[in-house]
Amino acid sequence: AQSVTQLGSHVSVSEGALVLLRCNYSSSVPPYLFWYVQYPNQGLQLLLKYTSAATLVKGINGFEAEFKKSETSFHLTKPSAHMSDAAEYFCAVSEEFNKFYFGSGTKLNVKP
Amino acid sequence: GAGVSQSPSNKVTEKGKDVELRCDPISGHTALYWYRQRLGQGLEFLIYFQGNSAPDKSGLPSDRFSAERTGESVSTLTIQRTQQEDSAVYLCASSLQGLMQYFGPGTRLTVL
Repeated sequence: AQSVTQLGSHVSVSEGALVLLRCNYSSSVPPYLFWYVQYPNQGLQLLLKYTSAATLVKGINGFEAEFKKSETSFHLTKPSAHMSDAAEYFCAVSEEFNKFYFGSGTKLNVKP
Repeated sequence: GAGVSQSPSNKVTEKGKDVELRCDPISGHTALYWYRQRLGQGLEFLIYFQGNSAPDKSGLPSDRFSAERTGESVSTLTIQRTQQEDSAVYLCASSLQGLMQYFGPGTRLTVL
């Protein structure tokens, strides 16, 4: 069975600081991995996805994530936080696109 | 339509009543997914449709939950004899090839 663990339900950073949101997964086969963002009162949007090509994946709004098989991790980073990045972020894993497993989410707060 | 739509946006019902939630996917999207998001938690997979067949119903929490889809169009999620623990946001997503899921705004269900 697959599972996704997001460490830290709330993360707070200052504007301009590095953003690091952690995601670890368990999967018996090489998975497909995703990060979604949910802005207040909006639906989920895809930030980026890993599909077994390059291990460093670049997404929208300056975010990127690196797939590390040895650590079963897919952490999300952004070099410099912006106030508009305040949202909830979800990591997800899928093996065959018929079922997706989501983490419990991390709320990012950006302080001025 | 331009995106996935869901109706109603909010539903308040009394314990024991049946509810129907509707999802209109993006035109042409063959895959459709239902998820449940309880307060403060991540997304919980419920069911997946490929066309109008549901190869994976393993996420449905009980036999009170059922879903159907007409062709590659509208889907309805029905919850019979609602319980208070059914209170959640129910999200629908559709995709063309599985990789890119487009989410609707959700239906917030409150069972009194």
